[in-house]
Amino acid sequence: DTGVSQNPRHKITKRGQNVTFRCDPISEHNRLYWYRQTLGQGPEFLTYFQNEAQLEKSRLLSDRFSAERPKGSFSTLEIQRTEQGDSAMYLCASSSNNQPQHFGDGTRLSIL
Amino acid sequence: RKEVEQDPGPFNVPEGATVAFNCTYSNSASQSFFWYRQDCRKEPKLLMSVYSSGNEDGRFTAQLNRASQYISLLIRDSKLSDSATYLCVVTPPSGTYKYIFGTGTRLKVLA
Repeated sequence: DTGVSQNPRHKITKRGQNVTFRCDPISEHNRLYWYRQTLGQGPEFLTYFQNEAQLEKSRLLSDRFSAERPKGSFSTLEIQRTEQGDSAMYLCASSSNNQPQHFGDGTRLSIL
Repeated sequence: RKEVEQDPGPFNVPEGATVAFNCTYSNSASQSFFWYRQDCRKEPKLLMSVYSSGNEDGRFTAQLNRASQYISLLIRDSKLSDSATYLCVVTPPSGTYKYIFGTGTRLKVLA
């Protein structure tokens, strides 16, 4: 069973650097979502794609954040000029139409 | 007021006990409801969808009360392996498919 795959699992970087995360959804899923989770909180929605179209972005997604899903398959989330407050677990999920979302095991970002 | 509210716990219960969690949501037009389970430093995993008629899956029972805008999860005969954080999830009115999560309720089942 090939689930949602995220890379890297962990990323440690210095403040001000750019980082990029990758998500490979379950192959037949047309919807892909990004969430961010900090300690003691539930995941917070960032953005979602239906095929290659980015249909919704949260106000949490500042100008430093950009997400793409160029061919409607994998997606990347880039954070430019990272800040301390960006430290979090970044979760990707995918779903098929109105089915429940399946989550990847996340990328844990630590900003030094 | 948060869109989805849960008691963060922790709930410490002995093995074999029955435990119940509630979750309230603010938007009366919310569409779908779920319980997800999250183990420490792992991804959320779907536990069960929640339907208006209530639904049961083994030791787990979920109920939805639209009039009072809450959902509940009942776990019977708790096992050590049930120790986890239980996340309440709501989807907004139709047109968006994002999830809105509660903060989660931590459960620890004690031997």
